[in-house]
Amino acid sequence: SQTIHQWPATLVQPVGSPLSLECTVEGTSNPNLYWYRQAAGRGLQLLFYSVGIGQISSEVPQNLSASRPQDRQFILSSKKLLLSDSGFYLCAWSGASNQPQHFGDGTRLSIL
Amino acid sequence: GENVEQHPSTLSVQEGDSAVIKCTYSDSASNYFPWYKQELGKRPQLIIDIRSNVGEKKDQRIAVTLNKTAKHFSLHITETQPEDSAVYFCAASRGAGGTSYGKLTFGQGTILTVHP
Repeated sequence: SQTIHQWPATLVQPVGSPLSLECTVEGTSNPNLYWYRQAAGRGLQLLFYSVGIGQISSEVPQNLSASRPQDRQFILSSKKLLLSDSGFYLCAWSGASNQPQHFGDGTRLSIL
Repeated sequence: GENVEQHPSTLSVQEGDSAVIKCTYSDSASNYFPWYKQELGKRPQLIIDIRSNVGEKKDQRIAVTLNKTAKHFSLHITETQPEDSAVYFCAASRGAGGTSYGKLTFGQGTILTVHP
């Protein structure tokens, strides 16, 4: 069966520091991968998605970037964090564009 | 782009009652509508989904209905239990259509509280 892993689970970073969040999927090949952010409150906002190695699409302009160096690895990065980058970051995968998305456990990021 | 509106934002019911959450969407090309349940501090979990070629789908106490003409879909939970308390999200997607790549647009969520 397929599983998705995200780490770290929680992270506290100072303003201006770099960021690297990692997501990996097991048990499937060539998944679609997605990064979402959930601000305190509720809604999920799509940040990036990828349909293959090296293929990244951004949904909103922001201080973040994403990379997919391997088939089942998706990384969310920032060179300099802002206070507004705080939130709950969720990675998701699907087997194909017409298949359901399944979420990882998320990373709770606090910026001080 | 797609816009999904979800109502109500909070819903409080007594154990055993039914709960209904409604969503409307704007993109007539959307054809896939999942519902997620998110407990406090945890990941959203898919509980049921429906595609545009059917009008209703049921899984035990949970059902979803879709009205493509009116562009709205609803989640129905019967015989609610305290463990149903969570935030529920609807979402819409064009699936594999065009350059959609399965992107989901989420509603803002409904906090459901089931009182024992």
